Amino acid sequence: SQQGEEDPQALSIQEGENATMNCSYKTSINNLQWYRQNSGRGLVHLILIRSNEREKHSGRLRVTLDTSKKSSSLLITASRAADTASYFCAAQRGSNYKLTFGKGTLLTVNP
Amino acid sequence: NAGVTQTPKFQVLKTGQSMTLQCAQDMNHNSMYWYRQDPGMGLRLIYYSASEGTTDKGEVPNGYNVSRLNKREFSLRLESAAPSQTSVYFCASNDRAWNTEAFFGQGTRLTVV
Repeated sequence: SQQGEEDPQALSIQEGENATMNCSYKTSINNLQWYRQNSGRGLVHLILIRSNEREKHSGRLRVTLDTSKKSSSLLITASRAADTASYFCAAQRGSNYKLTFGKGTLLTVNP
Repeated sequence: NAGVTQTPKFQVLKTGQSMTLQCAQDMNHNSMYWYRQDPGMGLRLIYYSASEGTTDKGEVPNGYNVSRLNKREFSLRLESAAPSQTSVYFCASNDRAWNTEAFFGQGTRLTVV
């Protein structure tokens, strides 16, 4: 079974609003990563948070990690129509750094 | 500055045919991965290779084989294609040194009829 589960599966917001996506996982991790995928394209890395970190920022992105709850959230502030894409969390674990993904959240930002 | 290159980009196979998906990276990465992406299922890990000479099964390895030919190349083989293997396949790589991002190829869209 997949180790990451994103919530919600789909999110539709207006331009300028904030978008929050959540991710849960089942077993301990080395790090938790977030990726973006535009329709029909490859995935692009957004941000990585290590297991000993609780919050990280990158531009309009803010990610949090709660290892006690085995969950993470991605916040995109002041969203733009160009943010429309699918967003995936990925958990990296083990000495071989196995990387497994969740099912993703489809974000639609309406102009 | 190619990054991760997958070939072919598109392929149609008949049930029972075999084929190999090729993946090469030029970033001197240790780890390489093969995923399949199906609607509503996200990316599922088929096989991965933590370093040259090693491979491990992922979540959905049945029906596939892999070869880590050298540090640059990681191929995925379908010995006898089935319609259930119709999917988009992605190759990825990352530097296993410590907590690093993965880089993805543009995908191979495979249809098995």
